[in-house]
Amino acid sequence: DAKTTQPPSMDCAEGRAANLPCNHSTISGNEYVYWYRQIHSQGPQYIIHGLKNNETNEMASLIITEDRKSSTLILPHATLRDTAVYYCIVRAASGAGSYQLTFGKGTKLSVIP
Amino acid sequence: DTAVSQTPKYLVTQMGNDKSIKCEQNLGHDTMYWYKQDSKKFLKIMFSYNNKELIINETVPNRFSPKSPDKAHLNLHINSLELGDSAVYFCASSQRTGDRYEQYFGPGTRLTVT
Repeated sequence: DAKTTQPPSMDCAEGRAANLPCNHSTISGNEYVYWYRQIHSQGPQYIIHGLKNNETNEMASLIITEDRKSSTLILPHATLRDTAVYYCIVRAASGAGSYQLTFGKGTKLSVIP
Repeated sequence: DTAVSQTPKYLVTQMGNDKSIKCEQNLGHDTMYWYKQDSKKFLKIMFSYNNKELIINETVPNRFSPKSPDKAHLNLHINSLELGDSAVYFCASSQRTGDRYEQYFGPGTRLTVT
């Protein structure tokens, strides 16, 4: 699986959009970009994933550059409950039923009132 | 309804003891996992398991063993506990649907070895 690079921490004002970048310059053609977050003392939570196209769901939007070497997770209106560590993970889709996530250090997002 | 549950939530025990952590998922998923999060907050995969294969991270000591009585349960047995085993252990489950592989995590079990 390709490695990812994320800033260690970011601040965001409550109500504003939080844009979390991720670099994955060695990503290969069959690898997906996944985002998870971990709120303090809880288990990680799936947010969104994508391959080439931009994706949006009820939690966030994922913008993937055309060359796929980087992506940005967007929380459109950050709330205090979005304070968490956000992990960007690159993972190949395999034929096996299981896959193992490799978590990096992530970005600690602090939403400030 | 809790999707992935773990018991106990907290476990304090002495070195050398044998303990188990239980995990249950009611999502109907066919694959379950165990992760370890150490004091530095690094989250690392230990095992993934479905009814066809067990994949073990090679860095996991053989004192750790997963036991699956059925598809909905994957328990973690730890023999001869050591101080370095102190960590938060997370169980997770997944079910492949097309290209969707999201994993659902339990609330964690904080293990303290004294």
